[in-house]
Amino acid sequence: GAGVSQSPSNKVTEKGKDVELRCDPISGHTALYWYRQSLGQGLEFLIYFQGNSAPDKSGLPSDRFSAERTGGSVSTLTIQRTQQEDSAVYLCASSLDLQGPSTDTQYFGPGTRLTVL
Amino acid sequence: GQQLNQSPQSMFIQEGEDVSMNCTSSSIFNTWLWYKQDPGEGPVLLIALYKAGELTSNGRLTAQFGITRKDSFLNISASIPSDVGIYFCAGRGTSYGKLTFGQGTILTVHP
Repeated sequence: GAGVSQSPSNKVTEKGKDVELRCDPISGHTALYWYRQSLGQGLEFLIYFQGNSAPDKSGLPSDRFSAERTGGSVSTLTIQRTQQEDSAVYLCASSLDLQGPSTDTQYFGPGTRLTVL
Repeated sequence: GQQLNQSPQSMFIQEGEDVSMNCTSSSIFNTWLWYKQDPGEGPVLLIALYKAGELTSNGRLTAQFGITRKDSFLNISASIPSDVGIYFCAGRGTSYGKLTFGQGTILTVHP
């Protein structure tokens, strides 16, 4: 498709289990971003990638969270030993690049709703 | 860190009315963006602003990048039921990559 896609759309897991969330950016977009949205809240920045490298990991809440991107395309966000407070919608976005105005405009996927029981 | 204050938190209006919402920042932003989010969906970009003082329209939507670079507003004219949703402002500071989001404005339109 033409937009950002994410999978799964919904994930229910038990506390303590690991989960992997996947993002496919818009074709040709070099920059990719992960955000978290808790119920009724705005979006909280987690991490972004330029190509396969992550210059800014400042938003990752703890060392249980990690992300990687391979081939300059698909990205995976991994949460280890999930906790109930990890329950949220995880949103991915991509932009053409980071070079400046308009080209760094971010387009979002539909999100993955994570529920930790 | 950078913070955005978005107001109002919610609005209940009649179809046909005009709507205005705004965001203010404690620091300067170089880009202002306005997104709309429907339930179960990701945010959809409405308007992007790249220069201080810039006024941009997209159909019934008009947004402005404040001259101080610390604020932005979004106006919706002649609201219709499909305008219902949550509207977010977002700003990018001097560092590329990270967007800071406002808390959102929940818009309800009564037919």
